[in-house]
Amino acid sequence: KNEVEQSPQNLTAQEEEFITINCSYSVGISALHWLQQHPGGGIVSLFMLSSGKKKHGRLIATINIQEKHSSLHITASHPRDSAVYICAVRGADGLTFGKGTHLIIQP
Amino acid sequence: KAGVTQTPRYLIKTRGQQVTLSCSPISGHRSVSWYQQTPGQGLQFLFEYFSETQRNKGNFPGRFSGRQFSNSRSEMNVSTLELGDSALYLCASSWDGTGYTGELFFGEGSRLTVL
Repeated sequence: KNEVEQSPQNLTAQEEEFITINCSYSVGISALHWLQQHPGGGIVSLFMLSSGKKKHGRLIATINIQEKHSSLHITASHPRDSAVYICAVRGADGLTFGKGTHLIIQP
Repeated sequence: KAGVTQTPRYLIKTRGQQVTLSCSPISGHRSVSWYQQTPGQGLQFLFEYFSETQRNKGNFPGRFSGRQFSNSRSEMNVSTLELGDSALYLCASSWDGTGYTGELFFGEGSRLTVL
């Protein structure tokens, strides 16, 4: 059974700050997802990674398969980035989720 | 293109009853997966279907079941409801044209309250 650890659990930052959220997992995977959930809102898929790095706008996601570690970076953060960010890994037995990182960006 | 549609959005049941939730995936998507989200446990994987076959099942009791129809629509059923089944139930669809690695598109969820 895969164990997924996210850090930090909570993060409050000022607008324009560079944000990093980390995700570590214990067992080899075929893919890793980064998801975003706004309060009372649905879940949106930000990235799906199996290797390397992906960039979309101000968001960057990286994965190191050997280290079993992924990071989500937000550049020039904005209050609308305030949300819960969830890491999920796909293994042989389906998806396993991290507990999420509650991010608040203050103006 | 319409997104993932889940019905009903909200429902209230009493202990011992059963419930059926429905999920219509994005047109063309062949994989549907189901998740339970609670404040205490977070998101947990329930099951996953591809072309009417259950491909994976999470660690939930047999009271939780599901199926997928030939048009890719899926239903999940929870029998003999317990208070702890109160949760947001989410489904997601993906193309899965290249095996297991498919981007997930989530529905808005069905919020179940068990009294």
